[in-house]
Amino acid sequence: DTGVSQDPRHKITKRGQNVTFRCDPISEHNRLYWYRQTLGQGPEFLTYFQNEAQLEKSRLLSDRFSAERPKGSFSTLEIQRTEQGDSAMYLCASSFPGPSGTGELFFGEGSRLTVL
Amino acid sequence: KNEVEQSPQNLTAQEGEFITINCSYSVGISALHWLQQHPGGGIVSLFMLSSGKKKHGRLIATINIQEKHSSLHITASHPRDSAVYICAVEKGETSGSRLTFGEGTQLTVNP
Repeated sequence: DTGVSQDPRHKITKRGQNVTFRCDPISEHNRLYWYRQTLGQGPEFLTYFQNEAQLEKSRLLSDRFSAERPKGSFSTLEIQRTEQGDSAMYLCASSFPGPSGTGELFFGEGSRLTVL
Repeated sequence: KNEVEQSPQNLTAQEGEFITINCSYSVGISALHWLQQHPGGGIVSLFMLSSGKKKHGRLIATINIQEKHSSLHITASHPRDSAVYICAVEKGETSGSRLTFGEGTQLTVNP
C-alpha cells in the first residue's frame, strides 16, 4: 500500500445524473476526510470519518450528498441529481493520529467531476 | 474575513532566491499544516506543527502561537519548487479534526 487512491480520476456526467467516488485510504489510517476544491480556491471540508463513524458533516454537504465508510476501510461519496455547481475536484485524505493526537495527512490525487 | 489568510497570493522568484510565505489565522488551533499542491491536483503534506520550528531539506516552517502566525521559508529556491503552497489549521483544542484551509500561494520560480 503506497498511498491514498481515488477512483475515478475524472468523471464527466450530465446534469441530473448520480455519481459515486471511491477512496481507499492508507490501510492503517483510521481517519478519512473528504474535501472539495474548485479552481483557484483552497479545499473546503465536506465530511470525515473515524473508522466507520461519520463524525462531522459540513453544511456544504446538502441532502444530495452522502458519504459512507461501511467497514472502516474504503469510503464512497455519492452525489445524487448532480448540478453544474457540483463541478469540482473531490479530494480524499487519511491520517492516523499519533500520541499527540494529530497525524500527518496523506491526500489522494483527487477525482475531478465535470457536470455538463 | 477568512479564518486563515495567506500572503502573498502570488509570488514570482528567480532561482536561488530565499522565499517566505506567510499565514495568519484568527481562531484557536491545535495544529497547523503546510501543504504543497502541484498542477493536476495532488496535495503533499510538507509540515505539521503546533509550536516552534521544523526543517526538512530546504524548507523551514515556523509558528508563533501567541501571534497566530506561521511562515514557510524556502532556501535556494528551484524551478521545481513552483507550486501552490497552502496553509491549513486544525481548529480548537481537539487535534485530529478537519482542516480549514487558506486560499493558497501560487509560487513560480524562474530559472
